[in-house]
Amino acid sequence: AQSVAQPEDQVKVAEGNPLTVKCTYSVSGNPYLFWYVQYPNRGLQFLLKYITGDNLVKGSYGFEAEFNKSQTSFHLKKPSALVSDSALYFCARGKSYNTDKLIFGTGTRLQVFP
Amino acid sequence: EAQVTQNPRYLITVTGKKLTVTCSQNMNHEYMSWYRQDPGLGLRQIYYSMNVEVTDKGDVPEGYKVSRKEKRNFPLILESPSPNQTSLYFCASSPSGFGYEQFFGPGTRLTVL
Repeated sequence: AQSVAQPEDQVKVAEGNPLTVKCTYSVSGNPYLFWYVQYPNRGLQFLLKYITGDNLVKGSYGFEAEFNKSQTSFHLKKPSALVSDSALYFCARGKSYNTDKLIFGTGTRLQVFP
Repeated sequence: EAQVTQNPRYLITVTGKKLTVTCSQNMNHEYMSWYRQDPGLGLRQIYYSMNVEVTDKGDVPEGYKVSRKEKRNFPLILESPSPNQTSLYFCASSPSGFGYEQFFGPGTRLTVL
């Protein structure tokens, strides 16, 4: 079955340091991959997506993600973390030909401390 | 302002009392979906709709009903709620299911006693 794994429940990083939130996906066709962020008491907000093309995808708020087919990964990165980046991050995938069914990971809580 | 709205935002009810959570979008999106969010489980899809009068089951449809009579509205119906349906519910929409990001509503926190 198609799935998405976020191996870390929580990531802590100091402000100004680079951050990485990990995501791996099950191999099945060509996946469409997404990152969403959820701030407290808010709905999810779209950050970025990979459909095809350049493996390095740039998104909102200075975030980027790299699609790595050989490692079946789509890690979210930011060169310099801000305290305001603290939130819950979700990786998600859709089917290769139809994203009507979006499968989410379990989420990673990012904590950026001053 | 382009948005997805949900009502109510918070609801406490008792087992067996039918309820409806409304969802509306003003972006003329074809695709709409309902998810529930539970700790440690992430978001799981309940039902989705590719267009008016077209609905399909997601991963956890048991105990829920939906309808899509108008493009903008996609209500979630719990005919006989049970405590295991206590959760945070999100409605989402996108221009179509194919490759587009989804826009999420603010969420509805439901407690079934």
